[in-house]
Amino acid sequence: DGGITQSPKYLFRKEGQNVTLSCEQNLNHDAMYWYRQDPGQGLRLIYYSQIVNDFQKGDIAEGYSVSREKKESFPLTVTSAQKNPTAFYLCASSSGGAAFFGQGTRLTVV
Amino acid sequence: SQQGEEDPQALSIQEGENATMNCSYKTSINNLQWYRQNSGRGLVHLILIRSNEREKHSGRLRVTLDTSKKSSSLLITASRAADTASYFCATAEYYGNNRLAFGKGNQVVVIP
Repeated sequence: DGGITQSPKYLFRKEGQNVTLSCEQNLNHDAMYWYRQDPGQGLRLIYYSQIVNDFQKGDIAEGYSVSREKKESFPLTVTSAQKNPTAFYLCASSSGGAAFFGQGTRLTVV
Repeated sequence: SQQGEEDPQALSIQEGENATMNCSYKTSINNLQWYRQNSGRGLVHLILIRSNEREKHSGRLRVTLDTSKKSSSLLITASRAADTASYFCATAEYYGNNRLAFGKGNQVVVIP
């Protein structure tokens, strides 16, 4: 099956911890994206990558980091510097047209 | 900066009626896309309209684009209960950097 997979579906983080959200795609897409979704605020772009070993900050990159070592993978690390990380995180990939989304990871700080 | 700002209204309609929602944006775009999201799920791509197109149809969906007004509309005809979802527009910027910016979404409830 071709698609984009995010894991885990639910993630709990203690304050002060770093956590990494996984995003894998087998669609052979060059571009990959991370978005954060809060209630009533739509999707806000965290980071995006157009090609392997390259990525750009989005609108709310502070407190987050990414890597793009492989075309298929674009993991997002939520660092302890992110003061309000509780949100729904969505990963997407694209070949320049329509974007395909994963099912999301719901991160909660406990 | 945030592009693709929908009119942030919740829309409640009866099954069989048409649903219209609007989106405005601020800079030059390559294309504009509409997506649908069911509660707690990922987004699903519905339709893409390029900057040199003015109208596009896909099944019960009709999208218009007015680049002079920097606005787009999505019309869903003959709505069904299964159309209940949030709808987002997204803009791909003109300069080819693949940046895709989303608006806040428009919640549609179709009453059977």
